[in-house]
Amino acid sequence: NAGVTQTPKFQVLKTGQSMTLQCAQDMNHNSMYWYRQDPGMGLRLIYYSASEGTTDKGEVPNGYNVSRLNKREFSLRLESAAPSQTSVYFCASSERSGGSTEAFFGQGTRLTVV
Amino acid sequence: QKEVEQNSGPLSVPEGAIASLNCTYSDRVSQSFFWYRQYSGKSPELIMSIYSNGDKEDGRFTAQLNKASQYVSLLIRDSQPSDSATYLCAVKPGGSYIPTFGRGTSLIVHP
Repeated sequence: NAGVTQTPKFQVLKTGQSMTLQCAQDMNHNSMYWYRQDPGMGLRLIYYSASEGTTDKGEVPNGYNVSRLNKREFSLRLESAAPSQTSVYFCASSERSGGSTEAFFGQGTRLTVV
Repeated sequence: QKEVEQNSGPLSVPEGAIASLNCTYSDRVSQSFFWYRQYSGKSPELIMSIYSNGDKEDGRFTAQLNKASQYVSLLIRDSQPSDSATYLCAVKPGGSYIPTFGRGTSLIVHP
């Protein structure tokens, strides 16, 4: 049981390049999230998906797009990377309701934009 | 904007002592509260969840919730150097399934 799997773990991009961060979960969760974590800023929500086929903006969506490909997979795309997007990115999943609604995190992607 | 506040620390305690970590939240109707531990360079890992007022104990960890005062705390008894990490408080605001995180408190347990 892998939980939440993110790829890649590390990436260096040049300004203006594009890339997609992949995330998959095998816990049959309905909800999935993308966060970024910067020093002193905590975890900030970029986009989230309540269920397959729906996505919504979080606190810091500018410069990003997402796709909820199916119930398992939720990808994050940077169309034109900027140095301000240098960060650690975490994907997470959870149930929306019921007895156990805690979020489980992937291993993170450390992205540097130069 | 629903907020979750934590003292950034670092909180430094000697080995064997009790570490007390605090968190306050702004949304009065929040129902679900979580504590995550994050080691440097790693992802957040859930250590406690609490949903009702009072204390919840799990091994050396005790979560305390006071909805009237809008705070949740985490006590770590018999602190060990391996407990040195950043502790994130997360709250699910009323009417939302999305967790909001505090910025975390850095804990250092020195031998």
